[in-house]
Amino acid sequence: GAGVSQSPSNKVTEKGKDVELRCDPISGHTALYWYRQSLGQGLEFLIYFQGNSAPDKSGLPSDRFSAERTGGSVSTLTIQRTQQEDSAVYLCASSWSSGAADTQYFGPGTRLTVL
Amino acid sequence: QKEVEQNSGPLSVPEGAIASLNCTYSDRGSQSFFWYRQYSGKSPELIMSIYSNGDKEDGRFTAQLNKASQYVSLLIRDSQPSDSATYLCAVRGSSNTGKLIFGQGTTLQVKP
Repeated sequence: GAGVSQSPSNKVTEKGKDVELRCDPISGHTALYWYRQSLGQGLEFLIYFQGNSAPDKSGLPSDRFSAERTGGSVSTLTIQRTQQEDSAVYLCASSWSSGAADTQYFGPGTRLTVL
Repeated sequence: QKEVEQNSGPLSVPEGAIASLNCTYSDRGSQSFFWYRQYSGKSPELIMSIYSNGDKEDGRFTAQLNKASQYVSLLIRDSQPSDSATYLCAVRGSSNTGKLIFGQGTTLQVKP
């Protein structure tokens, strides 16, 4: 079946512009996660959705970052007034639920470059 | 102290040898442990998951967990050049959100 998809695959933007990153989880997966992977920082958790609610936003680095999920499916991560330190690969993952044994499947990622 | 620690490597082994990758974690309440493989420019792919103390084998891969020592490892037998990648240790901590805490990853090079 179809895996997690993300768009765009690459995004180049100028400092100060807003960007939107999209994630389509595997059909039926209720849990959705956003992570960020940057050089020297490894893979960092950003936010977790269960259905349309976000019970854990603890990884969002600043109030410039926000995310929403609609219809228990598609999620959008928005970064306002982008900064150069926002340059990274943004990865989305989904799983059946947030149970201990649930496997998170990752999408291909969006590579964001802020000039 | 980082929550999940791995030696960044690179770990270099000859083809056919056993590769041993190690990971330690700080949250004693951690419940689940995962090894992901990541090829350059690609997203992480699950290799193994382990939840109980002891060994878990799947083909050429064996995951080992010791909760008392807060230590998890991955053994790759009969290493192949195609195993060359970065291996990420991920720990699901004691929170109930399912978020994973990742180590920095160990780069494995298998030389023909």
